[in-house]
Amino acid sequence: GENVEQHPSTLSVQEGDSAVIKCTYSDSASNYFPWYKQELGKRPQLIIDIRSNVGEKKDQRIAVTLNKTAKHFSLHITETQPEDSAVYFCAASSASKIIFGSGTRLSIRP
Amino acid sequence: DSGVTQTPKHLITATGQRVTLRCSPRSGDLSVYWYQQSLDQGLQFLIQYYNGEERAKGNILERFSAQQFPDLHSELNLSSLELGDSALYFCASSKTGDSNQPQHFGDGTRLSIL
Repeated sequence: GENVEQHPSTLSVQEGDSAVIKCTYSDSASNYFPWYKQELGKRPQLIIDIRSNVGEKKDQRIAVTLNKTAKHFSLHITETQPEDSAVYFCAASSASKIIFGSGTRLSIRP
Repeated sequence: DSGVTQTPKHLITATGQRVTLRCSPRSGDLSVYWYQQSLDQGLQFLIQYYNGEERAKGNILERFSAQQFPDLHSELNLSSLELGDSALYFCASSKTGDSNQPQHFGDGTRLSIL
């Protein structure tokens, strides 16, 4: 069946450095790719999303890139800050289904 | 505040029991999704309702069922509870029935089975 693979499962970066999380999807019908941030004990929050007719989208320190041919999409966080520490989930969805990746636990070292 | 309301916040019960979790979507949203998140695990999609009708089904056990009412609130019923059902249950809502739309999550119901 369709799935979404997310890597790495854990990531530790120095404050101020960049972090990159990668996802690969298998369903060719996927055309919407959201990213959610979940802080400890809290609800997932949508931080950025991209549609399949766009290759890149930026929102301040966060950017997402999409390679439809390779079925890859990535989250880039620049100038990381302590408040970026959280679990990040990618997802790939079509009109009929959404599949989440398994999550990446991002830790920011002071 | 996402605008999605889930009650109760916490629920403690015993094996074999039955519980009902409730979700009110954001104003104007017609779809409700239910997810299960076990400790340190990802989000497992259970079921989606759109405008009162079941729209999509994920890895939902036969012991679990859901419905969406005319006022668009939804309830997730869990029966014959087992220890492994202990988890955070999230509800999310979106504007339409299509899954390729932003979803807004509630704060979840933490279910503990003793």
